[in-house]
Amino acid sequence: NAGVTQTPKFQVLKTGQSMTLQCAQDMNHNSMYWYRQDPGMGLRLIYYSASEGTTDKGEVPNGYNVSRLNKREFSLRLESAAPSQTSVYFCASRVSPGQGADGYTFGSGTRLTVV
Amino acid sequence: DAKTTQPPSMDCAEGRAANLPCNHSTISGNEYVYWYRQIHSQGPQYIIHGLKNNETNEMASLIITEDRKSSTLILPHATLRDTAVYYCIVSPLSYNTDKLIFGTGTRLQVFP
Repeated sequence: NAGVTQTPKFQVLKTGQSMTLQCAQDMNHNSMYWYRQDPGMGLRLIYYSASEGTTDKGEVPNGYNVSRLNKREFSLRLESAAPSQTSVYFCASRVSPGQGADGYTFGSGTRLTVV
Repeated sequence: DAKTTQPPSMDCAEGRAANLPCNHSTISGNEYVYWYRQIHSQGPQYIIHGLKNNETNEMASLIITEDRKSSTLILPHATLRDTAVYYCIVSPLSYNTDKLIFGTGTRLQVFP
C-alpha cells in the first residue's frame, strides 16, 4: 500500500502562474484534507472533503480551490500563485465517519516556492 | 475547537523518559486529546489519543488530569529517532466534520 501520494514533491512557480497539486490515497478513505505549513509553524487547514462529492473551507482557503475528483483523489489548485503561498503542502485522509482523529494518514508533502 | 498551549522546545537524554506537557484549559466535554508528531518535515504521524482515562500503546503513554485541563505525553525510553515536533490537539469525535487544528507544538531534541 502506498498510503497517501502527493505529486509533485517540489515545484517552483512564478507569480501569477497556476498549478494543481495532486493527492491520491489507496486506503478507501472517505475524508481527505489539504494543509499548508509555513516555516516554524504548525499545519493550517486549507480545505477538506468529508466525503466524495463534498468540500468545505478550512482556516486559510483564500487563493485556493479544490476538487474531489473521486473517492481516491483530492486536488488543490492555485489559480494565480503569490509569494505568500510559498509553503509545504500536506494532503491527508481519514477512513470513515465516526472514527476519531487517530485515523489520519498524511502524505510526504509538496514543497512549493513562488518567486 | 479548544486551544492548546505547549512549551516551544524540550531536551531529553537518550534512554530517559520524555514528558511533554500540554495545557487545554478550555476543553469541552466531548473533545478528545490527540498527539501527533512530525519528524524532520515529513507528514505528521499519529501517536495516541484519549478522553479522560490514561492511555498507553506501543509508542507512548498519555496522562490526562482529572479536570481534563492538561495532559502529558510520555515517551518511556526516548531514542534519537524520537527527535521531532510534537503536537497536542483537542478535537471532538464527530461524524464527517472533525478536523485537526494544529498549534506550533513542542520541538523535542533527544541527545546521546
